[in-house]
Amino acid sequence: DIQMTQSPSSLSASVGDRVTITCRASQDISDHLAWFQQKAGKAPKSLIYAASSLQGGVPSKFSGSGSGTEFTLTISSLQPDDSATYYCQHYATSPRTFGQGTKVEIK
Amino acid sequence: EVQLVESGGGLIQPGGSLRLSCAASGFTVSNSYMSWVRQAPGKGLEGVSFISRGGDTSYADSVRGRFTISRDNSKNTLYLQMNSLRVDDTALYFCARESHQIGWNWGQGTLVTVSS
Repeated sequence: DIQMTQSPSSLSASVGDRVTITCRASQDISDHLAWFQQKAGKAPKSLIYAASSLQGGVPSKFSGSGSGTEFTLTISSLQPDDSATYYCQHYATSPRTFGQGTKVEIK
Repeated sequence: EVQLVESGGGLIQPGGSLRLSCAASGFTVSNSYMSWVRQAPGKGLEGVSFISRGGDTSYADSVRGRFTISRDNSKNTLYLQMNSLRVDDTALYFCARESHQIGWNWGQGTLVTVSS
């Protein structure tokens, strides 16, 4: 199975900050990577698919990049509503696997 | 509009069985890649099972041999049959549609609690 490793596991940043989360795959997954935002007790919300494509209705302050084994999610200007846990997931093969999550808090 | 609605969760004793349903609208389940994902209390997301457009299936090691994913094309519904349930299967279960071309859609989840 392909392992997904996210870093950091948590971060605290100020409103307006640029935030970057990294996801590494244990083997080449091309661009078969998605990013999700999840708030407590809610369903995940899709942000990015195909590594860098923005899901419909998601603000452009979210962006994704990378290919192969290294990927990043960037929030260009952090807002209070962005406080959540963010997950990456590969879908190159089965089983699909998730990163362990990055909890983003506002200072 | 794409919509996924899960149902079938509840309280069940260890060793029991449940069948989860995911009713879809706005797209065709049989022509989509579909997954079941779960989240245990206070834990991260875990992929449970997957079915391809062609009907190929896969399972997490933790559920293989106990869970079965299927779909009913006439009802446009995805299922997860869960047998021999264990306490550590307690989780919020989500269904999701994945598309490399247009992205992901998620249901709201259904809670499964396995307890005596």
